[in-house]
Amino acid sequence: DAKTTQPTSMDCAEGRAANLPCNHSTISGNEYVYWYRQIHSQGPQYIIHGLKNNETNEMASLIITEDRKSSTLILPHATLRDTAVYYCIVSGTLQGGKLIFGQGTELSVKP
Amino acid sequence: EAQVTQNPRYLITVTGKKLTVTCSQNMNHEYMSWYRQDPGLGLRQIYYSMNVEVTDKGDVPEGYKVSRKEKRNFPLILESPSPNQTSLYFCASSLGRGDGNTIYFGEGSWLTVV
Repeated sequence: DAKTTQPTSMDCAEGRAANLPCNHSTISGNEYVYWYRQIHSQGPQYIIHGLKNNETNEMASLIITEDRKSSTLILPHATLRDTAVYYCIVSGTLQGGKLIFGQGTELSVKP
Repeated sequence: EAQVTQNPRYLITVTGKKLTVTCSQNMNHEYMSWYRQDPGLGLRQIYYSMNVEVTDKGDVPEGYKVSRKEKRNFPLILESPSPNQTSLYFCASSLGRGDGNTIYFGEGSWLTVV
């Protein structure tokens, strides 16, 4: 079973920041939070991951709460090409390294 | 360029006709795995491999075989395909198992069994 809870869908205006929330209240100490996205039926694309600290890369920022029970993915300036399903996933060695994908959030970026 | 390459990308086959979906990665990754994606069920892991000659079942291994004779290749074998194996398949690889390693996915292989 997926260990994360995400809203089913969200809208965002082009050029604005998209903030995608994720709850992972049962996360254990050695599990990372990963974010992937899938555009149509293409292969899932890695966005970012983190353990405890906030992370930023060229695509996005990841904000993890201090208790690690939730996180937020931030796309600072969403474009139409960011329209996709976004998956928040927790993973660690105890699960054989697999990613357990939930249903994700369908983000629609609108002009 | 770092890549996970799957072939074929699209295939229609008949029930019972053995087929192989190849997967190759050029990143010298130790860990590779196969997923299938079905509407309403999300992505589910079929098999994974920790290294050469080391493979293990994932969540939905029935009807599939894999092999890992070389580090870069991890083919998925359907010995006797059935219509319930019609699905979108993804191969994935990473440097190691979990623990913060980035997992890279191939572009997918659409398989239809009639």
